[in-house]
Amino acid sequence: AQSVTQPDIHITVSEGASLELRCNYSYGATPYLFWYVQSPGQGLQLLLKYFSGDTLVQGIKGFEAEFKRSQSSFNLRKPSVHWSDAAEYFCAVAPNTGFQKLVFGTGTRLLVSP
Amino acid sequence: DAGVTQSPTHLIKTRGQQVTLRCSPKSGHDTVSWYQQALGQGPQFIFQYYEEEERQRGNFPDRFSGHQFPNYSSELNVNALLLGDSALYLCASSLNPGTTSSYEQYFGPGTRLTVT
Repeated sequence: AQSVTQPDIHITVSEGASLELRCNYSYGATPYLFWYVQSPGQGLQLLLKYFSGDTLVQGIKGFEAEFKRSQSSFNLRKPSVHWSDAAEYFCAVAPNTGFQKLVFGTGTRLLVSP
Repeated sequence: DAGVTQSPTHLIKTRGQQVTLRCSPKSGHDTVSWYQQALGQGPQFIFQYYEEEERQRGNFPDRFSGHQFPNYSSELNVNALLLGDSALYLCASSLNPGTTSSYEQYFGPGTRLTVT
């Protein structure tokens, strides 16, 4: 069965520092890959997606992610974190089989210190 | 451009009762998926509706049922509520299946259900 692992439950980063959130997936074939962000009490906002092609994808709010097939990973990065980036981040995968079911990781809570 | 809307925002129910949650998809979208997000967890897929039919279902009991209307809006019904049904229920909309763009799901703000 598909699974998504986000090994870091919490991460604290100083404002202005760089950020990397880890995501690993388990699936027989390369699925479609997504990162979502959820602010407290809010729904999920799509940050970026990977379907195929260039393995480095750019998203909104200055985020990027790199797909590494050999490591089954899709890590999220940002060069300089802002206090407003504090939120919960979810990695998700979808099998490219015609059904749009998303399988989510358990999330990583990002805290930004001054 | 109206995004995904859900109602109500919050709901408190008693064990054994039934509840109906509502969702209107983003303009131009015709596919609706429902997810349950328990506290501290990632969302879990309940089911998806397209052309007024359930296309796919996650690992949820028959107490969870849904409906899609001709205007693409959708309802999620939960019968015989259990304490464990307390969660944030998220609705997501997308384009009709067939292209990679259909995998982009746009989420509403959710309905917070508390079962006492």
